[in-house]
Amino acid sequence: GQQVMQIPQYQHVQEGEDFTTYCNSSTTLSNIQWYKQRPGGHPVFLIQLVKSGEVKKQKRLTFQFGEAKKNSSLHITATQTTDVGTYFCAGPKDSSYKLIFGSGTRLLVRP
Amino acid sequence: SQTIHQWPATLVQPVGSPLSLECTVEGTSNPNLYWYRQAAGRGLQLLFYSVGIGQISSEVPQNLSASRPQDRQFILSSKKLLLSDSGFYLCAWSVLRARSGANVLTFGAGSRLTVL
Repeated sequence: GQQVMQIPQYQHVQEGEDFTTYCNSSTTLSNIQWYKQRPGGHPVFLIQLVKSGEVKKQKRLTFQFGEAKKNSSLHITATQTTDVGTYFCAGPKDSSYKLIFGSGTRLLVRP
Repeated sequence: SQTIHQWPATLVQPVGSPLSLECTVEGTSNPNLYWYRQAAGRGLQLLFYSVGIGQISSEVPQNLSASRPQDRQFILSSKKLLLSDSGFYLCAWSVLRARSGANVLTFGAGSRLTVL
C-alpha cells in the first residue's frame, strides 16, 4: 500500500545550525502538506505544495516539492529554540479525503 | 471563524471499560471529519473519516468505532478498551479545496487516553 516515509526520525542541533527533514512517498502525490507539532500539543498546518518543483518560503523555513511529486523537504535555516517540535509531511491516499502522515522528524535545539 | 472542540482532554480507564470521545466543530458546515491516533513518540495513524452525516470510513481493523450523529459532531467509541488503545487521539476537520484538490486539516487539542 501507499507509504509516506520521513528521515531522519530524530535530530538534535545546536541553536543557529541548519536542519533538514526529507519526505518520500511510494506513489505520486497531487499535493503535499507540512505540519508542526510542539511537545504536548497538536499538529498545526504549515504549508501545502501543489506544483512539481515548487519551492515556498516562510521566513527561515524553505519547503520544496520534488519534480516527480514523490518527495519533499523542509529546511530550516539558523534554528531557534522555538523551532523545537515534530515536523510531519502528509499526502492524500487513494482520494483527496484521506490524508496519510509521514512518521515525523523530531527536532531538538540546544540553546 | 471556525473552531474545533474535543473532550475529555485526559482520560484514564481500566481495561474492558467503554470509551466515548467527542468532537464538535463550529463555524463551518458539512466538514470532513477525522479521528487519528498517535502512540507515544510516534506518527499519526488515520482511524476513521467521515464526509457526511452517517457516513463513516474505517481505515484499520480495531475495537474502536466512530459515529457522526450530526453534521458537526464526531464521536469515537469503544465497548471494551484494550491496553493497546492507549494513546493520543486527535480529531480534525477539513473542507476540500476544489481548486487545488488539497484537504488541509485543522486539529483539535487532543484527548490523551491511558488504559490500565
